[in-house]
Amino acid sequence: DIQMTQSPSSLSASVGDRVTITCRASQSISSYLNWYQHKPGKAPKVLIYAASSLQSGVPSRFSGSGSGTDFTLTISSLQPEDFATYFCQQSYSTPTWTFGQGTKVEIK
Amino acid sequence: EVQLVESGGGLVQPGGSLRLSCAASGFTFSTYWMHWVRQAPAKGLVWVSRVNSDGTSTNYADSVKGRFTISRDNAKNTLYLQMNSLRAEDTAVYYCARLTCSSTSCYFDPWGQGTLVTVSS
Repeated sequence: DIQMTQSPSSLSASVGDRVTITCRASQSISSYLNWYQHKPGKAPKVLIYAASSLQSGVPSRFSGSGSGTDFTLTISSLQPEDFATYFCQQSYSTPTWTFGQGTKVEIK
Repeated sequence: EVQLVESGGGLVQPGGSLRLSCAASGFTFSTYWMHWVRQAPAKGLVWVSRVNSDGTSTNYADSVKGRFTISRDNAKNTLYLQMNSLRAEDTAVYYCARLTCSSTSCYFDPWGQGTLVTVSS
């Protein structure tokens, strides 16, 4: 199975900060990488698919980049509603859709 | 509104069984592949199982193969997960998710809010 490794596992940031989360695949997955936001008690929500495509309705402060094994999710200016846990997911090797372990973004 | 609502979670003893349901609305359920994903306490998301649009093809994570069965009733717009021989390590919030595909990739959208399964004596 393809392993997905996210870093950091958590971070503290202030409103307005630029935040970067990385995700590394154990083998090349081309651009088959998705990013999700998950808040406690809520349904996870897709932010970015195909490494860099912004899902409809998602604010433009979210962006994704990368291909092969290394990927990045960037929040250009952190907003109060962005405090959540973020997961990457590979969709290259199905049906085993592996996720990263998550990055919890907390208020500094 | 496109929506998925899970139900059926609860407390069950080790070795017991439980059936989860996922009611779909707002889209043509019978045309989409569906998945179950779980999250154990303080852990990450783990893919569990998938079923194709007409229910004739299924796949499972190794950790649940032979114990869990995914199925669907397209007439009732409902997805199921029958869980047998439950273990403490199956304790998790279980989410159903719709597989959505663009021209370039597939991803899970939407997800339900989850249902908690606790396996304990």
